[in-house]
Amino acid sequence: DVKVTQSSRYLVKRTGEKVFLECVQDMDHENMFWYRQDPGLGLRLIYFSYDVKMKEKGDIPEGYSVSREKKERFSLILESASTNQTSMYLCASSSGGSGNIQYFGAGTRLSVL
Amino acid sequence: DQQVKQNSPSLSVQEGRISILNCDYTNSMFDYFLWYKKYPAEGPTFLISISSIKDKNEDGRFTVFLNKSAKHLSLHIVPSQPGDSAVYFCAASVIGAGSYQLTFGKGTKLSVIP
Repeated sequence: DVKVTQSSRYLVKRTGEKVFLECVQDMDHENMFWYRQDPGLGLRLIYFSYDVKMKEKGDIPEGYSVSREKKERFSLILESASTNQTSMYLCASSSGGSGNIQYFGAGTRLSVL
Repeated sequence: DQQVKQNSPSLSVQEGRISILNCDYTNSMFDYFLWYKKYPAEGPTFLISISSIKDKNEDGRFTVFLNKSAKHLSLHIVPSQPGDSAVYFCAASVIGAGSYQLTFGKGTKLSVIP
């Protein structure tokens, strides 16, 4: 079974703090993704990565950056957290085969106060 | 510009009846379609998929139908069970050409009433 692990289930941070969300997958997948989910807005892609040290902007990259130094790990960084970044953050990985099926972590509920 | 649309934010169905969740898409390049199920405070889990070369795919109680001419797909759950209560996301992708992204709809919240 594919396992995608997000380091925290719940996080509470202050406005202006630098926030790191970590994601690790154990299936040697090339592709990794960060989404945020908000009520009524569905899943919106923030950033994705096709390979180590590669990154591509998704639909809503503003205010975020990412890091992929190792194949199994993909980090999402909020350089200066703001209240409008309060959301559920979801990490996913895929091999690129099987119709691009993505496997998701359990999510991190981030509250920025 | 939404390329994948789920026009019903919510749906309520009696236990044992059929649930039908609908999804429309606008991009004719999409050739693979997926459904995900999401419980609160959990990540989405892959449920079922269909390639554009087929018009139906069945897996147990779940069947996905694809109508390419109408750019419409639907997920049928028969019989519906209370444990099926969740948010269902439709997603679409373009296979090959170096694209690995999924485009998601906004989701439909299904409530199965005992």
